[in-house]
Amino acid sequence: AQKVTQAQTEISVVEKEDVTLDCVYETRDTTYYLFWYKQPPSGELVFLIRRNSFDEQNEISGRYSWNFQKSTSSFNFTITASQVVDSAVYFCALSERRGGTSYGKLTFGQGTILTVHP
Amino acid sequence: DSGVTQTPKHLITATGQRVTLRCSPRSGDLSVYWYQQSLDQGLQFLIQYYNGEERAKGNILERFSAQQFPDLHSELNLSSLELGDSALYFCASSVGTGQGTDTQYFGPGTRLTVL
Repeated sequence: AQKVTQAQTEISVVEKEDVTLDCVYETRDTTYYLFWYKQPPSGELVFLIRRNSFDEQNEISGRYSWNFQKSTSSFNFTITASQVVDSAVYFCALSERRGGTSYGKLTFGQGTILTVHP
Repeated sequence: DSGVTQTPKHLITATGQRVTLRCSPRSGDLSVYWYQQSLDQGLQFLIQYYNGEERAKGNILERFSAQQFPDLHSELNLSSLELGDSALYFCASSVGTGQGTDTQYFGPGTRLTVL
């Protein structure tokens, strides 16, 4: 069975600090897809990024960067120079390519609550 | 705005009642997914429909059912409601079947409160 663990329940930082959100996953498949979603206080789930298991290139998008390491089954997310608007719950999720009848099913971690103070 | 719409935004009802949640996917998306978010269970996958047919099932209770109509909108029916069914119900949609590089885009959710 697949599993996603976000060990950090809550993180609190001051504006302009860098912050890294950890995500560790378990899967038996050799091909899988990892996602990060953001849930701001308004409640909707916003897609941030998708990574394929066969592409370990790390990615930077503005103040966001992602570090995918297959050897440690981790897909960490860093926000550089955090801002108050980054305050949200961040979810890591896993989708398996050959999950039997579970095609398309996303398995989510428990989420990390990020609070950025001014 | 993801392009996925859900109605109603809030729903308050009593135990034992039945409610229907509605979802319209993004234009061009054929798959619709339903998820439940509660404090104790987190975000849980319920069910997926692709082009009108059930594609995958998760931890969906027998009291819950869903369908996808020819115009691709979907409804989630919750019956014999219990206090524990109070949660935020999300609908998501994607272009394909959910395999591979398909990305799910989520609607704003329906908050269900059972009193």
